[in-house]
Amino acid sequence: AQRVTQPEKLLSVFKGAPVELKCNYSYSGSPELFWYVQYSRQRLQLLLRHISRESIKGFTADLNKGETSFHLKKPFAQEEDSAMYYCALSGWGGKLIFGQGTELSVKP
Amino acid sequence: GAVVSQHPSWVICKSGTSVKIECRSLDFQATTMFWYRQFPKQSLMLMATSNEGSKATYEQGVEKDKFLINHASLTLSTLTVTSAHPEDSSFYICSVAGGGGSGNTIYFGEGSWLTVV
Repeated sequence: AQRVTQPEKLLSVFKGAPVELKCNYSYSGSPELFWYVQYSRQRLQLLLRHISRESIKGFTADLNKGETSFHLKKPFAQEEDSAMYYCALSGWGGKLIFGQGTELSVKP
Repeated sequence: GAVVSQHPSWVICKSGTSVKIECRSLDFQATTMFWYRQFPKQSLMLMATSNEGSKATYEQGVEKDKFLINHASLTLSTLTVTSAHPEDSSFYICSVAGGGGSGNTIYFGEGSWLTVV
């Protein structure tokens, strides 16, 4: 079965601290994985995708097929990073399966 | 600018009435659109895949007679919540996949808040 699991509902850190938002997936095939971010009162937007292997706003995520994980990391959190983060998995055609979401709260 | 537009952004309706939400693809023709539902501080749940010119494909547990989807053109899909009840109150979001096949860029609408009173 296709499934995405984000074990933490809320992650609270202080500004400047490292951040890791966990994501594990279950998929029988070659998954494509994404991280989406939803700032307060804004639409969902793509943060990064594993195939591009890029760093956006200081965030990175590496696909670990052995551990079936796609954790999102940032070495130094900023207050403006506070938002809801969703890990998502896609098969063919644009259909996305989302994790439960993790609320990141960065305190000053 | 926005690639996908939803209307209305928010709507309040009386219990028992029907309400229609529109999703427009502004920059390209979309043979497939997706409808999601999101409860506050919860994940997005895929409700259905909207296919232009054919019937929508509904996810397990989603009542197709309750949530009518019409995808009559390549740029417009509509979701009609029929005989709405307070438990239908939620945030409804549509998305469009740009390009073809896997690895698409997926664009989301701004969402529509539905409150049934």
